[in-house]
Amino acid sequence: GQQVMQIPQYQHVQEGEDFTTYCNSSTTLSNIQWYKQRPGGHPVFLIQLVKSGEVKKQKRLTFQFGEAKKNSSLHITATQTTDVGTYFCAGPGSNYQLIWGAGTKLIIKP
Amino acid sequence: ETGVTQTPRHLVMGMTNKKSLKCEQHLGHNAMYWYKQSAKKPLELMFVYNFKEQTENNSVPSRFSPECPNSSHLFLHLHTLQPEDSALYLCASSQDWSRESYIQYFGAGTRLSVL
Repeated sequence: GQQVMQIPQYQHVQEGEDFTTYCNSSTTLSNIQWYKQRPGGHPVFLIQLVKSGEVKKQKRLTFQFGEAKKNSSLHITATQTTDVGTYFCAGPGSNYQLIWGAGTKLIIKP
Repeated sequence: ETGVTQTPRHLVMGMTNKKSLKCEQHLGHNAMYWYKQSAKKPLELMFVYNFKEQTENNSVPSRFSPECPNSSHLFLHLHTLQPEDSALYLCASSQDWSRESYIQYFGAGTRLSVL
């Protein structure tokens, strides 16, 4: 069945360092979405990418959608404590559902 | 506030109890979802309803029974649960299915502990 693989599972960074998470789909996607879940919270929609090769920015966050529309990345520049959480990618599947990546947990080293 | 309200926020139940989780969305969406989130499986889809009709049941044990009386309300009835069912249960809704978008808005979740 359709799968979305996301790596790494965890990333430990010093505050101020960069962070990147990658998603790969087994099939071509019509769009890809990114969500953030803060510790103790629930997933919150961040952004949707639709076009091949699309790049979108939200302040220090840069989202990319691959040319083949099968992979995507999220890059955070100069991480801050407010960035802590788990970042999920997701793509549309059948029957009104999303196929979710396993998430990447961003941990700031003390 | 996401427009999706879940109650209760926390629930502790014994294995012989029967309880229900409630979800209500105020966004005018047509599709509603139940997810289970645990350390083993970060986001595990359980059920999908579109216009009150169930479109997906991801091999969920029969001790979980969903109910969708209208497009704004979704219930998850629980009975004879096992300790491994302890998890965060998340409800979500979406609207943009006609454009294959399915952007989802989540409630705060119900933290369930089965003793």
